[in-house]
Amino acid sequence: SQQGEEDPQALSIQEGENATMNCSYKTSINNLQWYRQNSGRGLVHLILIRSNEREKHSGRLRVTLDTSKKSSSLLITASRAADTASYFCATDARNTDKLIFGTGTRLQVFP
Amino acid sequence: DGGITQSPKYLFRKEGQNVTLSCEQNLNHDAMYWYRQDPGQGLRLIYYSQIVNDFQKGDIAEGYSVSREKKESFPLTVTSAQKNPTAFYLCASSPSSGGTYEQYFGPGTRLTVT
Repeated sequence: SQQGEEDPQALSIQEGENATMNCSYKTSINNLQWYRQNSGRGLVHLILIRSNEREKHSGRLRVTLDTSKKSSSLLITASRAADTASYFCATDARNTDKLIFGTGTRLQVFP
Repeated sequence: DGGITQSPKYLFRKEGQNVTLSCEQNLNHDAMYWYRQDPGQGLRLIYYSQIVNDFQKGDIAEGYSVSREKKESFPLTVTSAQKNPTAFYLCASSPSSGGTYEQYFGPGTRLTVT
């Protein structure tokens, strides 16, 4: 079962520009997490936002959560070529102990 | 140097053979997970274990088996019953199960079955 859907599927930008990725989900959640995956590698955790939080920052990352719309966004400011990767949201539906991952956004940052 | 190790990085097998993928962690985490990732897709949960000697099926458990005899180890066997086994397999662990905890991922094993 796919809980999260990321949008867009792919995004290409120039270094220095901001990148925004969106995640929509279907059922109520306790927490939403964002992960990054470099090509052919494992995932790396970026940030976790709880259902009672609206916004969270970590370095150049800004995550928002709108539980009324069942959506989240990940903003990467002043992007760098090294930010090139796939980004996934993951949600925990209430009363489950698993994470369900979305389909991901492939970000390409050109130098 | 703490983390999760998966071996081998690449694995090739003939159709009809069972194959076991290794996953070891030294993070002292209770929960461990196996995911499958197909090209351009997200992760799908195969099995997970919340504690030693216990594990539960995920969304796509058919054709796979696991064991959790030690806290550090959670091997995955891809059996000949798995109809389309070629994929990228990722192992992860977390301090406990549930969405409150971030998951730590291994580098993955790419399995090719011909």
